[in-house]
Amino acid sequence: DAGVIQSPRHEVTEMGQEVTLRCKPISGHDYLFWYRQTMMRGLELLIYFNNNVPIDDSGMPEDRFSAKMPNASFSTLKIQPSEPRDSAVYFCASARGDNSPLHFGNGTRLTVT
Amino acid sequence: GDSVTQMEGPVTLSEEAFLTINCTYTATGYPSLFWYVQYPGEGLQLLLKATKADDKGSNKGFEATYRKETTSFHLEKGSVQVSDSAVYFCALRPRSGGSNYKLTFGKGTLLTVNP
Repeated sequence: DAGVIQSPRHEVTEMGQEVTLRCKPISGHDYLFWYRQTMMRGLELLIYFNNNVPIDDSGMPEDRFSAKMPNASFSTLKIQPSEPRDSAVYFCASARGDNSPLHFGNGTRLTVT
Repeated sequence: GDSVTQMEGPVTLSEEAFLTINCTYTATGYPSLFWYVQYPGEGLQLLLKATKADDKGSNKGFEATYRKETTSFHLEKGSVQVSDSAVYFCALRPRSGGSNYKLTFGKGTLLTVNP
């Protein structure tokens, strides 16, 4: 079991650029979650999927953010255009079933200058 | 809405010291309670959990008891090690419709253990 795999580990970009974060969940897990972690706001749920279908995106901060899950083994979180206030660590997590523990990836540290 | 309040860090201890990290919550009914740990450069991992009042969760020498009367779930360890240095998150999940997506996390407490 390789765990949840996120890429890249670090991303530095300039304001206005498009940023794409990637996640490969654990095989067999049917839930996938995107979280954002900042010092000020802590850990926030952005969006989650069940069987590749977005279920709740109410945590997505604004239209600049979008997420997709084209298949059971891959998801992306895109920010276009990026802004300095988007700087944070973005985590992907997966779970098998609705009430099982979350398994987190190691995160992507995004810095927007 | 639901909320979790943790003691602010950072907490710095010497090896073999006693650890307490306070956590209180506000929620409707009787939620499930969790402690997650985040080691440097890694994602969060479930450390322990308790699903009903007076339950004690335990793992790796850590313990926490679900106290309904004080709405608390304090994390304790009798003798910390350098390898326990990490950020600790308290979290709750509501009883009704308790899906993972309804997890509410505290802001985290950074623990540093010195040799």
